[in-house]
Amino acid sequence: GNSVTQMEGPVTLSEEAFLTINCTYTATGYPSLFWYVQYPGEGLQLLLKATKADDKGSNKGFEATYRKETTSFHLEKGSVQVSDSAVYFCALSEGGAAGNKLTFGGGTRVLVKP
Amino acid sequence: GAVVSQHPSRVICKSGTSVKIECRSLDFQATTMFWYRQFPKQSLMLMATSNEGSKATYEQGVEKDKFLINHASLTLSTLTVTSAHPEDSSFYICSAVDSNEKLFFGSGTQLSVL
Repeated sequence: GNSVTQMEGPVTLSEEAFLTINCTYTATGYPSLFWYVQYPGEGLQLLLKATKADDKGSNKGFEATYRKETTSFHLEKGSVQVSDSAVYFCALSEGGAAGNKLTFGGGTRVLVKP
Repeated sequence: GAVVSQHPSRVICKSGTSVKIECRSLDFQATTMFWYRQFPKQSLMLMATSNEGSKATYEQGVEKDKFLINHASLTLSTLTVTSAHPEDSSFYICSAVDSNEKLFFGSGTQLSVL
């Protein structure tokens, strides 16, 4: 079956530090990959996605590249802000669209200190 | 943007009682909604797919008689945890799919069964 593994948190950083959250996956086919973010007290929001190998998703300064050879989709941001404090979830969908069933990683809590 | 309202955000109940959680799409119609459960430090696990006007589709290992799902309208799906026990204590999250196959999440419900 499908699975997603992401690094455990919490990850604590200072403002303007570089952030990487590792995510690897196992899937039978060619999934679409997603990063979702959950800010305190809010629902999960789609942060970025990539639907095929070598695609790069980007949004709000975050980037992740779909690496089929390493089955990875690591999330990076060059300079984090306090407002980036949230829980980040890596996910995949075999159906190719966000509207299909998602398999999630366990989430990584990120805390950015001023 | 589209909003999904999930209520209540937190509920504490006694063992043996039933708890209903509501998931509403506020500004769009959703023929499909998903219910997830998350245990501490674990992934969001898909419990069931809720389809308006038809029976929900449950994932393997999820007891349909214990977790009753009703998707009676295009904007409302409910999850009822029947005869709740402490092992049902978890974080429950719903999501709804709009006509463009975009997925929107509720903010979750923390259920604690004493």
